[in-house]
Amino acid sequence: DAGITQSPRHKVTETGTPVTLRCHQTENHRYMYWYRQDPGHGLRLIHYSYGVKDTDKGEVSDGYSVSRSKTEDFLLTLESATSSQTSVYFCAISEPEWGYEQYFGPGTRLTVT
Amino acid sequence: KQEVTQIPAALSVPEGENLVLNCSFTDSAIYNLQWFRQDPGKGLTSLLLIQSSQREQTSGRLNASLDKSSGRSTLYIAASQPGDSATYLCAVRPREGGSEKLVFGKGTKLTVNP
Repeated sequence: DAGITQSPRHKVTETGTPVTLRCHQTENHRYMYWYRQDPGHGLRLIHYSYGVKDTDKGEVSDGYSVSRSKTEDFLLTLESATSSQTSVYFCAISEPEWGYEQYFGPGTRLTVT
Repeated sequence: KQEVTQIPAALSVPEGENLVLNCSFTDSAIYNLQWFRQDPGKGLTSLLLIQSSQREQTSGRLNASLDKSSGRSTLYIAASQPGDSATYLCAVRPREGGSEKLVFGKGTKLTVNP
């Protein structure tokens, strides 16, 4: 157990509404990531963070923003949710000392209607 | 652009059989390769991490090998059990810029029948 929690675990929202997903870790790990998992596409990186207020884009970042104001929390925001953002979202953590092995949270299932 | 392929997409075996799952990647410039297990509706569980300088890693009944020059990795599962049924994913960490990301294959869904 890497001490990662995600909230909410399930959410249904309407097109055009803002949504924020939270990833929380308990052990001050430096690297945090947001992925989405979709049938036929597998897991794809949305954004990642390498420290407080240090973030960068992944391969599918359009329509998403992130913030990390504290080491333990990494927030993913959909400013105006679209049906194409219906997915399962996973948070992960990593450390250079681990050889960058990544550990994943339990996921958030988001449905945009 | 790095691409990761896992074949077959699904595999069904009887309990007790030894089996091999395959992963191939297009660019040998990687930092490491990681194997994961995912149960339905759950997150990913890290099984093994192989650094680019290593040839294999073992954990219990699992053995993962890496041949960087040919762009291949295998996950060997000995004496399979019904509890091994899950989707197995491999992912590589490219050496190219932005090396913090992982590039995932689409997985092999394994079913071990009692």
